Amino acid sequence: GNSVTQMEGPVTLSEEAFLTINCTYTATGYPSLFWYVQYPGEGLQLLLKATKADDKGSNKGFEATYRKETTSFHLEKGSVQVSDSAVYFCALTTNQGGKLIFGQGTELSVKP
Amino acid sequence: DTAVSQTPKYLVTQMGNDKSIKCEQNLGHDTMYWYKQDSKKFLKIMFSYNNKELIINETVPNRFSPKSPDKAHLNLHINSLELGDSAVYFCASSQTGTGVGYTFGSGTRLTVV
Repeated sequence: GNSVTQMEGPVTLSEEAFLTINCTYTATGYPSLFWYVQYPGEGLQLLLKATKADDKGSNKGFEATYRKETTSFHLEKGSVQVSDSAVYFCALTTNQGGKLIFGQGTELSVKP
Repeated sequence: DTAVSQTPKYLVTQMGNDKSIKCEQNLGHDTMYWYKQDSKKFLKIMFSYNNKELIINETVPNRFSPKSPDKAHLNLHINSLELGDSAVYFCASSQTGTGVGYTFGSGTRLTVV
């Protein structure tokens, strides 16, 4: 079946460090891929998305590229801030209006 | 304006009680969902409705019954609450075919004591 695997957390970084959170997926067909962010005590917010191979999603300094050959969608940011501390979820859907399948989430903690 | 709103935000109740969580979206989306987030932050879909019709029912106990009076509302009723039902429940909505992604509510933290 379809699934998403993320690197385990928590990830602890110093401010201005480079961030990579790995995400790989297994899916039939051609999934759309998403990164969601959950700040403490809040709901999930869409961070970025990509709907086809080689697409790059970007938002707020975060980027992720849809790599079909490696079935990956790794999240990167060049310089993290304390305010980026949150739980990050990689997710996929294989059809519009269908269910969103999440990875297990990766907690990021950024220290000043 | 809140796009997807859930009430209540917190719910503390005793085992065996029956409770409801309400969800409303003002985005004009045709599909709504309930997700459950457990204590380890894992998110799993429970139900999906498209234009008031049940589309997805993911092996959820019969004690959970969703109701969609119209495409802007999707409520979740839970009978005979158990300790294991304690979790955060998220409502979400999306529009079929747009590829925009899903909009989530802020969650309802249910604690069963």
